[in-house]
Amino acid sequence: QKEVEQNSGPLSVPEGAIASLNCTYSDRGSQSFFWYRQYSGKSPELIMFIYSNGDKEDGRFTAQLNKASQYVSLLIRDSQPSDSATYLCAVGMNTGFQKLVFGTGTRLLVSP
Amino acid sequence: GAVVSQHPSRVICKSGTSVKIECRSLDFQATTMFWYRQFPKQSLMLMATSNEGSKATYEQGVEKDKFLINHASLTLSTLTVTSAHPEDSSFYICSASSSGSTDTQYFGPGTRLTVL
Repeated sequence: QKEVEQNSGPLSVPEGAIASLNCTYSDRGSQSFFWYRQYSGKSPELIMFIYSNGDKEDGRFTAQLNKASQYVSLLIRDSQPSDSATYLCAVGMNTGFQKLVFGTGTRLLVSP
Repeated sequence: GAVVSQHPSRVICKSGTSVKIECRSLDFQATTMFWYRQFPKQSLMLMATSNEGSKATYEQGVEKDKFLINHASLTLSTLTVTSAHPEDSSFYICSASSSGSTDTQYFGPGTRLTVL
């Protein structure tokens, strides 16, 4: 079983719709969770992080964490074509070395 | 804030030569830096973790004698690919985190290495 799992996609949504990206993780002791966006040929950029159960909102983005279900998601409201990218879920390992385990990413396509 | 730079952004070299890539944290002190490699259409693969002033910790399967990592200061880490071969061609990305931000990692723009 992979430590961090994401559906590779592509997830296709029309412009203006809500895109929902999901991620599950295997280490129940994980405490920190991150979403990164990566455009083709570029390096990842941090969108947001979440540490506590529940929702965390930042502009058009909402991260949702459910530790009991070992599930973290990212909602993108009012999706724009510029949101088309690969979204990487990353989970902090409980090793004290600040390592992150990355999922393979979900490719999002927002059509005009 | 939290800006990380990498240099060079792109390098082409002949097989057998060594290539050095620099990673700098521009506006914060990076207690820990990470080096990743990413092949086309694949996810990030962590190569090693380095803490300032100490030896890097390499992931399983990564040759420490081939990928030399130095983290001499709180703002600079270098990765040297020694005796590069075509199979080393990849996108190398560094990231940095500070002790004050738990495990949030900020990525550099990456270096695309092509070995002929």
